[in-house]
Amino acid sequence: DAGVTQSPTHLIKTRGQQVTLRCSPKSGHDTVSWYQQALGQGPQFIFQYYEEEERQRGNFPDRFSGHQFPNYSSELNVNALLLGDSALYLCASSHRTSVSYEQYFGPGTRLTVT
Amino acid sequence: KNQVEQSPQSLIILEGKNCTLQCNYTVSPFSNLRWYKQDTGRGPVSLTIMTFSENTKSNGRYTATLDADTKQSSLHITASQLSDSASYICVVTVFGNEKLTFGTGTRLTIIP
Repeated sequence: DAGVTQSPTHLIKTRGQQVTLRCSPKSGHDTVSWYQQALGQGPQFIFQYYEEEERQRGNFPDRFSGHQFPNYSSELNVNALLLGDSALYLCASSHRTSVSYEQYFGPGTRLTVT
Repeated sequence: KNQVEQSPQSLIILEGKNCTLQCNYTVSPFSNLRWYKQDTGRGPVSLTIMTFSENTKSNGRYTATLDADTKQSSLHITASQLSDSASYICVVTVFGNEKLTFGTGTRLTIIP
């Protein structure tokens, strides 16, 4: 079992561009949550997907959108990038019956916006 | 507002020494509390998780305690090793919506 995987590992974008980050959940998990972690801060919840729908959302603008595929993998899209979007983006997977009890994080994608 | 506060913000100790990290929370209603270890630039890895009825839980040299009455938790690390250098994050879950509230973490540095 590969656990939670994320791609790419690192990414450099320019202000105003768009970016797509990808996440594959741990085997047996059907729920994917995305977090943004700025340097020196704790992760901030962006949104959560299961059954291919956004179920919960944190306090993030509409520039942040996502998608979940039938195989439970997920994408995070960020439009009109700002310098402040530079952060480590974490994906966490779980089963919908035990979201908080079993939430496994991926290694993250480091996004740098210049 | 649901909050999780951790102290100290950073800590430096000698290899082999013990240390204790603190977590105070105002999250309500409470579902569970988890301690994560996060190496720089990596995803968090779960160390322990405790529900309302659990007072202590160990994972090797890591021992977490929970006082649900005072809404406090601690993570004790015994006989520290250089590989323990990392950020330790306390995460509390809200009962019902399963929303996770993260602390800002304690940055622990172990020096030889």
